[in-house]
Amino acid sequence: DADVTQTPRNRITKTGKRIMLECSQTKGHDRMYWYRQDPGLGLRLIYYSFDVKDINKGEISDGYSVSRQAQAKFSLSLESAIPNQTALYFCATSDPSGISYNEQFFGPGTRLTVL
Amino acid sequence: DAKTTQPTSMDCAEGRAANLPCNHSTISGNEYVYWYRQIHSQGPQYIIHGLKNNETNEMASLIITEDRKSSTLILPHATLRDTAVYYCIVSDRNQAGTALIFGKGTTLSVSS
Repeated sequence: DADVTQTPRNRITKTGKRIMLECSQTKGHDRMYWYRQDPGLGLRLIYYSFDVKDINKGEISDGYSVSRQAQAKFSLSLESAIPNQTALYFCATSDPSGISYNEQFFGPGTRLTVL
Repeated sequence: DAKTTQPTSMDCAEGRAANLPCNHSTISGNEYVYWYRQIHSQGPQYIIHGLKNNETNEMASLIITEDRKSSTLILPHATLRDTAVYYCIVSDRNQAGTALIFGKGTTLSVSS
């Protein structure tokens, strides 16, 4: 079974709708991240969380919110989706106590299309 | 902005070594060099990282110049499955709040 899972894997929605993307992990890592990727570009950080009580904005947090419901779960919400939020979204985890301090483990991604 | 510069694309014949360069001339003393790859819209996969010494693991070797301003990722015997976008990232291992900054990477195409 995958260590980092994302649901849904694909979603098509309309402008103005509220959307939630979910991420779950079984790695026991405290740190979790949300990135988005646009065609031909690298990943950009949206939000990250170091533990359940710690949430931090990333490079492109406007238009997004997150919730860390438990160590294993980190959700990303688009309160009112707009077409330029159409992208591939990745969740990742990391363990700062590990040998590879910044080795991040990525989920399979969610492809979101906003019409 | 990404702190690294990589060629946009490279080609490699199957079975040959793939050498992917990366410039990071502004790297600071606390920053490590990390390499990830992304195969066709899958989640990025960690490959290797290093500080100043050369490193090798089961996937690749990392050669870092003495002045640490550039590095090379070496895939010793490239296969078709190594076709991917390769990202070179510098990151402070010890800094709280560290997140990876991905640039556009190098698209490696391995052909038979």
